[in-house]
This record gives sequence, C-alpha cells and structure tokens, in this order.
Amino acid sequence: GQNIDQPTEMTATEGAIVQINCTYQTSGFNGLFWYQQHAGEAPTFLSYNVLDGLEEKGRFSSFLSRSKGYSYLLLKELQMKDSASYLCAVMDSNYQLIWGAGTKLIIKP
Amino acid sequence: DSGVTQTPKHLITATGQRVTLRCSPRSGDLSVYWYQQSLDQGLQFLIQYYNGEERAKGNILERFSAQQFPDLHSELNLSSLELGDSALYFCASSPRGGYSSYNSPLHFGNGTRLTVT
Repeated sequence: GQNIDQPTEMTATEGAIVQINCTYQTSGFNGLFWYQQHAGEAPTFLSYNVLDGLEEKGRFSSFLSRSKGYSYLLLKELQMKDSASYLCAVMDSNYQLIWGAGTKLIIKP
Repeated sequence: DSGVTQTPKHLITATGQRVTLRCSPRSGDLSVYWYQQSLDQGLQFLIQYYNGEERAKGNILERFSAQQFPDLHSELNLSSLELGDSALYFCASSPRGGYSSYNSPLHFGNGTRLTVT
C-alpha cells in the first residue's frame, strides 16, 4: 500500500528553527508537495520538490531525497502565525496525490 | 483568495437528509477534486473530475456522488446523512487533468462545513 508518515504534533519557540519530516512509500514518484493549513481554513501551497536537494523560499525550505523516500520542511525565524498544520503530499505514478495526515505545529512565545 | 469558490460555507442538517455542495473552480482550471476532512484528521480524497468526466475515485461512499457540469462547476451530493459525515468538505482545482506541478499546484476553496445532527 501507499503510505506517508509525518509526526502528529511538534512544538517550537518563536524565533527558532523547526524541521518537519515526511517519509513516504508510494507507487512511483512524480513530486512532493508541502501545504500549510491553519485550523478551519483551506490548505495553501508552500513548496514542490521533484529532484533531490534543497529548495529555498524565504523563511521556508524543503528538502527531498528520493532514494531515501524522505523530505523535510524547514521553517526559520518562526513567527506565531506559523502555528498551523503542515501537510506532505506525494504524487504517485498515476499522478494522484497521496496525502499525509499532517503535522500540527505549535509555536510558543 | 485562491479563486476557487465553494457554497454554502456552513450547512447544518439532520441525519437521513440529503445535501448538495457546490464548487466553482478557478478560471481556466479543468480539474476539480473533492476532499473530506474530519475534525483534526487529514485530507481524504473523494473524487476527481476533469473537463466533465470522472478521472479518479478515492474513498467515496456509495451514498455520495458528484458531477462536473459543462461550465466546469461541480457538485457533491451527500445522501442518507449520518453523524459521521460531519466534516469540512474541500474542493480544489488545477489546470490539468492528470497531474499537478510546480506551476499548477492544487488550489483549494475555503470549504463547506457540514454538521449533521
């Protein structure tokens, strides 16, 4: 079966750095997405990785290792507004998105 | 604003009833996806339509059905509602039928919150 694993919940301090991991086992691979979702709101697109390596976009970076079936989302200079759930999704060989359950990130002052 | 419009925002109904949720995709997007998200749960993929045709099916119950109309808007019909159907229902759209890419990730509407009492 297809599976995506993320930690259920993480806590970090305002101004710090946090890394949210995602491991996956899917039928094929056509890219990995990270989305941010505030409670009760729609998910919004953060990043897309299809090749190994690091993609940096402002305070957020996303890393991919296809050989290890592993990705992480790195959030720097954390702000209170970063408190949200972070969803990892992998596009399989049929170009269907397989979603992780999400990681709830709690930022403390 | 993602450009994806969902109505209504909130819906409260009783068990056994039937409801229809509506979604208008972003201008130019041909694909519509429906997702269910129960409280503190992940996104559960229900069904995808591309240019009026069903493209992929996920964990959609037989009591649920959907369609995409010629003007590309989509409706999700939920019947014989049960308490467990209470959830946020999201619609998302993308330009292409088979895949999303960096240039066209899924864009989500603000959802319809369904409460079954």
